[in-house]
Amino acid sequence: KAGVTQTPRYLIKTRGQQVTLSCSPISGHRSVSWYQQTPGQGLQFLFEYFSETQRNKGNFPGRFSGRQFSNSRSEMNVSTLELGDSALYLCASSLDPQGLAGNTIYFGEGSWLTVV
Amino acid sequence: GDSVTQMEGPVTLSEEAFLTINCTYTATGYPSLFWYVQYPGEGLQLLLKATKADDKGSNKGFEATYRKETTSFHLEKGSVQVSDSAVYFCALSRGGGSNYKLTFGKGTLLTVNP
Repeated sequence: KAGVTQTPRYLIKTRGQQVTLSCSPISGHRSVSWYQQTPGQGLQFLFEYFSETQRNKGNFPGRFSGRQFSNSRSEMNVSTLELGDSALYLCASSLDPQGLAGNTIYFGEGSWLTVV
Repeated sequence: GDSVTQMEGPVTLSEEAFLTINCTYTATGYPSLFWYVQYPGEGLQLLLKATKADDKGSNKGFEATYRKETTSFHLEKGSVQVSDSAVYFCALSRGGGSNYKLTFGKGTLLTVNP
């Protein structure tokens, strides 16, 4: 079956703009989470959605937001982009909430965002 | 809070050498443990997992054993190939409380030379 699909794969934005990234989870998965990966900070958790509800949020400013639709697809938005937002943004999906014992989380290939 | 500590990289090996990447964790309760691999320019792929103490996860010649007494989940492979060159991440997930997320180590870059 199809894996986690993220669009767009690559994009370049200008400082101050906003960006929306999209994620389609594996069919049947209800949990979608987002991670930011940078060389300096490694992988950092942004937020998780389960059945359209945000369950958990990482330590990021309010410029980072997300939502999940009834078909489990998710979008994340970053407003007023800063140079430091340049990163690989990874989406992951799972059947059950992330913290559940034994629950396996599958990642997409990511969206590469460059802010200039 | 939960944390994962991996050995510092980069690790450079010759083809057919033995590989060990150390991983230890701090977490209350009984976390599930994972190794993910990231090939250049790609996202994360699940390599193997173990969900309880003494479980051994294995895949593609890699294996790791969940050792609760030493809170470790070291990754091993008997004979590495050039195609194994990638960044390897150890991670844990734990139920209970409000900290529902996958916690990653900082990653270990492995380069295998022919």
